[in-house]
Order: sequence, then structure tokens, then C-alpha cells
Amino acid sequence: GENVEQHPSTLSVQEGDSAVIKCTYSDSASNYFPWYKQELGKGPQLIIDIRSNVGEKKDQRIAVTLNKTAKHFSLHITETQPEDSAVYFCAASAGGTSYGKLTFGQGTILTVHP
Amino acid sequence: GAGVSQSPSNKVTEKGKDVELRCDPISGHTALYWYRQSLGQGLEFLIYFQGNSAPDKSGLPSDRFSAERTGGSVSTLTIQRTQQEDSAVYLCASSPPGRRGYTFGSGTRLTVV
Repeated sequence: GENVEQHPSTLSVQEGDSAVIKCTYSDSASNYFPWYKQELGKGPQLIIDIRSNVGEKKDQRIAVTLNKTAKHFSLHITETQPEDSAVYFCAASAGGTSYGKLTFGQGTILTVHP
Repeated sequence: GAGVSQSPSNKVTEKGKDVELRCDPISGHTALYWYRQSLGQGLEFLIYFQGNSAPDKSGLPSDRFSAERTGGSVSTLTIQRTQQEDSAVYLCASSPPGRRGYTFGSGTRLTVV
């Protein structure tokens, strides 16, 4: 089955700096890669996703890049703000019978210091 | 409703008791998922319902775990003879037809004592 590795497990940055979180996946059939943000006491919230026919996607301060050959994808947050502090999860999904099923990374605790 | 609703939000139960966790997905969402999140861990897939198709139960950790979805809407996750290792946050999510992005509920925190 699919295996997703996420690094780093914790990340501390100063407000205004950029933050980068990286994930690798094992199943070459995976074609959908979402990122979720989880705040304390809440369920994860989808913040951005990318499909395998796209190399990069941006949404304001957030961007995701995908390298299918190397089987890795990354989340980039620019101009970080204290409210970006949360746990971030990457995930991967293949099509076919696994269409809706996500395999998640272990999460990254991001702390943005004012 | 506006979001995915889960109840109860917290549940403390004694080892060996059965528990039922409820999920009310967003209206019109045909897919419903259950995941488990242990302390400081990632999300572990449990079960997936898609429309009228047979559910994907490949993530259920033992036969003490079962889930059903009635009328294509509300789902109940049942854990029989609970064990301490079942303590976790159980998250439910749903997604609309043709979309793969989930909306998660806030979860049920289960503590087995």
C-alpha cells in the first residue's frame, strides 16, 4: 500500500519568514495530493491540493509543488503569520478502487513566532 | 447542516464496554470516511462509504470495529469490548460527488479507562 513520509516533524520560524514542509510517497499510481491544516481541538481543514497533471499550484501565500519522477511534493508558506501556527498534514491518494482513500503523513507542527 | 457534525464530542468509557460514535455528513455529500488520530500521530484510515457501493473496510483494525451508513447519510462507528489502545480522536469526513477534498468534523475524543 501507499506510504507517505513527512518532514520535518516540527518547524519554528519567525513571522514574515517562509516555511517549507516536504513529503514523499511510495505508490507511483498516486495522483492526488492534498494538504490539511489542523488547529488545536479541531478537525483538519483542506488548504490546498494538487493533481498529478500539474507541477505547481498557488493560492495567495500558499503554494504546493509536485515532482512525480522523484515522488515528492512540498508545501510552501510565504510571509508567515502567527495564525499560520498549526499542525500540517500532507496526504496522497491513487485512483481506481482507492479513489477516495487518503494516506496521511505524520504531520508537521509549525510555530510562527511574532 | 453547514459542516460535518460528530457526536459526542467527548466520550469516556470503561474497558470492555461498547461505544457508538455518530457522524452526520454535509447534505449532498455522497462519500463518507472515518479516520482515527492517536495522540501526536497522523490520521489512520478506517472505513470509506461511497454512495450505494460496498464500503471499503480495509482499515478497520479488528473485528471489534464496525460501521454502517443508513440512508446514504448518517453513519455510526461501533467499537465493541473497548480496549485502552482504542483511546484516540475519531474523525469523520465527507466529500461531494466527483470531488476528492474532504471536509472533516471536529472529531470524537474517546478515552477508555
